[in-house]
Amino acid sequence: RKEVEQDPGPFNVPEGATVAFNCTYSNSASQSFFWYRQDCRKEPKLLMSVYSSGNEDGRFTAQLNRASQYISLLIRDSKLSDSATYLCVVNMRRTGRRALTFGSGTRLQVQP
Amino acid sequence: NAGVMQNPRHLVRRRGQEARLRCSPMKGHSHVYWYRQLPEEGLKFMVYLQKENIIDESGMPKERFSAEFPKEGPSILRIQQVVRGDSAAYFCASSPAPEVSGNTIYFGEGSWLTVV
Repeated sequence: RKEVEQDPGPFNVPEGATVAFNCTYSNSASQSFFWYRQDCRKEPKLLMSVYSSGNEDGRFTAQLNRASQYISLLIRDSKLSDSATYLCVVNMRRTGRRALTFGSGTRLQVQP
Repeated sequence: NAGVMQNPRHLVRRRGQEARLRCSPMKGHSHVYWYRQLPEEGLKFMVYLQKENIIDESGMPKERFSAEFPKEGPSILRIQQVVRGDSAAYFCASSPAPEVSGNTIYFGEGSWLTVV
């Protein structure tokens, strides 16, 4: 089983739609969580951190369910500019190995 | 802007040559990561280094690839005797101590290697 799993998509949605991405992680000792965005032929960039209480940044809402080891990202009122790959990232406490593990990403295509 | 700096941004090598990719972390960051992204594929972890130490190289191919992060100077990813399959984007990232909850990593713009 992968340490961080995401549905690869692609998710094809019309402008204005609401879309949700899910991510599951295997290590219950994981401490912190993030969503990154990667545009085509660009570097991944931090979109937002994910807090236990859930957090919102404009049209983006991130949720964490520690009991189910599940993270989600909700995008409301999708824009064409939201088209990108969204990467789920988990920070696991462990020595001798990298702490941060990336999912393979979910591709979103917003269509006019 | 003291972000993660990678060079060269684009590199073309003939099969059998060597490629050297350099990465200077963000100011104040002492942890460096290298990732590879093949065309149309996801980000693959290669190696995690601190100054003068390789912490995790579980993603490095066993042959031809090496990485270092010396006490002075940038981190170097070295690929010997390149083959066409090495053509990819190589991203470097840096962080402060990642074991601290809430710390995450920041990427450079990548080095795009083309092997002809």
